[in-house]
Amino acid sequence: KQEVTQIPAALSVPEGENLVLNCSFTDSAIYNLQWFRQDPGKGLTSLLLIQSSQREQTSGRLNASLDKSSGRSTLYIAASQPGDSATYLCAVRYYSGAGSYQLTFGKGTKLSVIP
Amino acid sequence: NAGVTQTPKFQVLKTGQSMTLQCAQDMNHNSMYWYRQDPGMGLRLIYYSASEGTTDKGEVPNGYNVSRLNKREFSLRLESAAPSQTSVYFCASSEYRGFGYEQYFGPGTRLTVT
Repeated sequence: KQEVTQIPAALSVPEGENLVLNCSFTDSAIYNLQWFRQDPGKGLTSLLLIQSSQREQTSGRLNASLDKSSGRSTLYIAASQPGDSATYLCAVRYYSGAGSYQLTFGKGTKLSVIP
Repeated sequence: NAGVTQTPKFQVLKTGQSMTLQCAQDMNHNSMYWYRQDPGMGLRLIYYSASEGTTDKGEVPNGYNVSRLNKREFSLRLESAAPSQTSVYFCASSEYRGFGYEQYFGPGTRLTVT
């Protein structure tokens, strides 16, 4: 069974700092990996999607990397801002049979960026 | 283009009552999902529908039923609510974007069972 772990569970940084969020998964047979952002009381917003054949994806100040062989992904946030404060979730998509794919989520890292 | 919509946003039920959570997407996606999110547990898949006319159990299906009414709509029903079903419920849909399946989420339904 695929398990996804995110460390740390919570992180507090001063504004302007660069930071890295970590995600690890137990089964390297993944289809892709997706990073989400969740604001308090809200749904999930997709940030970046990395295919299993890719090494990284970039969007603005965000860069996500994937090392499938070691079961790890990182989300790098450059020049953090208070508006980046949210919970960040990592999810891996795998083939669950009969033409279906499912996502398994980590429990998230709660990020606080202090002005 | 509203994306994924869910109704209601909030609901309080008494133990034993029934209710249906509604979900609709306007992105013409084939696959739709229902998740629940609980503190310390993360998101867990309840049921999913890979395409119109099909539904399958996820990780935590007990106590729930689903209906894929058409390509747009996927409903979740609690036949006899229990306090253990107090949670935030998210509906999602996914599409293939040329570089992989990407999942889109609704805003959630916050359900309390007393």
